[in-house]
Amino acid sequence: AQSVTQLDSHVSVSEGTPVLLRCNYSSSYSPSLFWYVQHPNKGLQLLLKYTSAATLVKGINGFEAEFKKSETSFHLTKPSAHMSDAAEYFCVVSDYNNNDMRFGAGTRLTVKP
Amino acid sequence: GAGVSQTPSNKVTEKGKYVELRCDPISGHTALYWYRQSLGQGPEFLIYFQGTGAADDSGLPNDRFFAVRPEGSVSTLKIQRTERGDSAVYLCASSLISGRSNEQFFGPGTRLTVL
Repeated sequence: AQSVTQLDSHVSVSEGTPVLLRCNYSSSYSPSLFWYVQHPNKGLQLLLKYTSAATLVKGINGFEAEFKKSETSFHLTKPSAHMSDAAEYFCVVSDYNNNDMRFGAGTRLTVKP
Repeated sequence: GAGVSQTPSNKVTEKGKYVELRCDPISGHTALYWYRQSLGQGPEFLIYFQGTGAADDSGLPNDRFFAVRPEGSVSTLKIQRTERGDSAVYLCASSLISGRSNEQFFGPGTRLTVL
């Protein structure tokens, strides 16, 4: 079965500095990969997804992620953090039909002024 | 258009009681998913419906958990003889159809507390 490991439970950055949230996946076939964001008391929102097209995926709010098969990684980046980016971020891997989505444990992003 | 809605937003119950959690998917979405998110963890898949039928219920932890979607729209997650370990946020998601390129849209969740 597929799974993901989010390497950091908590990341803290200063406003205006780059963001890197790390994710490694395990899958026996060509996976679909997603990043979701969860703000307090709000539903999960899709940031971006990889489904075997371009390996560099651009998402909303300036986030992007690169699928690296050789490293089994799908790290999330943003060049310049904003205070509104503070939230919980989840890396997700799914089966071919996106029906069995496996979430990582999450990374809490804190943005300092 | 309205997103996925879930009711109640909070539910407090006593150990041993029966609870029902409701999910209203986005209109026209044929696929519906239930997840459970325990404190400090990511959501965990419970069950997936395609239309009225449960296409995959492999994530249900035991036979105290059951879900229905009788008309292919609203779904109810039912938990019998609740235990303290059932305390979690229960999330519902829907997608237009199941399939590789489809996005799941999540509701805000129901926070269940079992005393």
